[in-house]
Amino acid sequence: DTEVTQTPKHLVMGMTNKKSLKCEQHMGHRAMYWYKQKAKKPPELMFVYSYEKLSINESVPSRFSPECPNSSLLNLHLHALQPEDSALYLCASRGNEKLFFGSGTQLSVL
Amino acid sequence: EDQVTQSPEALRLQEGESSSLNCSYTVSGLRGLFWYRQDPGKGPEFLFTLYSAGEEKEKERLKATLTKKESFLHITAPKPEDSATYLCAVQEYRDSSYKLIFGSGTRLLVRP
Repeated sequence: DTEVTQTPKHLVMGMTNKKSLKCEQHMGHRAMYWYKQKAKKPPELMFVYSYEKLSINESVPSRFSPECPNSSLLNLHLHALQPEDSALYLCASRGNEKLFFGSGTQLSVL
Repeated sequence: EDQVTQSPEALRLQEGESSSLNCSYTVSGLRGLFWYRQDPGKGPEFLFTLYSAGEEKEKERLKATLTKKESFLHITAPKPEDSATYLCAVQEYRDSSYKLIFGSGTRLLVRP
């Protein structure tokens, strides 16, 4: 299994909602990532977890809250988002010296 | 700080018309130069990793090369299914973790 699975694929939320994005991998990788990608722009790193501990936070606003319950799961909790947070959110895991990306969650904030 | 610049921003080719995409980089110490392919609304798909100047890798119609300052992705006799955005990235090691710094990408359209 060489897949990184992200759910949901699409999400529409209001600015007062609380929602969560989920990411799962069963490749035994111990580093997992959240990237944000706006249309026609490259992916931008948000968070890195290494051995279930947060190792990099790229100065992301607190309305984004990551969580790594175990080595296979990565969540991104969303609260009080702004319309400009609408983007494709990508999860990745690192193994064999490369990143494996999921298909992403397309998020729209109304 | 590491920087990655890709050109051209967009490229239109006729089927069978070979071309090259460029990725120039400035890093304090290269820990890998990566090429990914991304289809619309999907996550990036790994293509190649290059580590040292002079290294080359091939996969079907794609060939990646690396010098001390830039990398090229050569596309030979492209087909419409090669249409995608091609992303170049350099790998950085910080705070006990690896991270990829991406260039802005080249959007390739191959017309039949």
